[in-house]
Amino acid sequence: DAGITQSPRHKVTETGTPVTLRCHQTENHRYMYWYRQDPGHGLRLIHYSYGVKDTDKGEVSDGYSVSRSKTEDFLLTLESATSSQTSVYFCAASTGYEQYFGPGTRLTVT
Amino acid sequence: ILNVEQSPQSLHVQEGDSTNFTCSFPSSNFYALHWYRWETAKSPEALFVMTLNGDEKKKGQISATLNTKEGYSYLYIKGSQPEDSATYLCALYTGGGNKLTFGTGTQLKVEL
Repeated sequence: DAGITQSPRHKVTETGTPVTLRCHQTENHRYMYWYRQDPGHGLRLIHYSYGVKDTDKGEVSDGYSVSRSKTEDFLLTLESATSSQTSVYFCAASTGYEQYFGPGTRLTVT
Repeated sequence: ILNVEQSPQSLHVQEGDSTNFTCSFPSSNFYALHWYRWETAKSPEALFVMTLNGDEKKKGQISATLNTKEGYSYLYIKGSQPEDSATYLCALYTGGGNKLTFGTGTQLKVEL
């Protein structure tokens, strides 16, 4: 158990509504990440954070924003959800090379 | 965007078979290569972190080798068991922002 939790674990929402996913870690890792997992694409980086209030875009950041106001929490927001954002979202955290993953959030946008 | 490729995409073997998969990556700007094991409905778990050309790592019946000059890593499973069924991901660490670039994975199914 790497001390990383995600909430909610499952969510169904309608197109056009805002959605926020939360990642919480208890190990004081400096870096945190949000990935999405889709068939045929593996894990793709959405946004990452290298410290409180320090964030940067990843490979597939369009339509997503993030915030990190405390070391332990990293929030991912879909401002206006679209069906293409239906996916499984994984949060990860790291201090050195190795990244530790949360259990994932399955998001369905109808 | 870095291109990390894994082959094969999927593999079905019988219990007791040995198997191996490949991860290919650009050999320039190499820092480290990770292998993760990812079971269905769970989160990825780290198997190995490899940093040096010629590195060999082993955990139980699973081992990995690294060739940074030619840009590839092999993962071997000796005597596969049904519990080895999972997706095996490799990921390249290049140092910028402590980020990993993942391959698409090799899905292994071990049948009785």
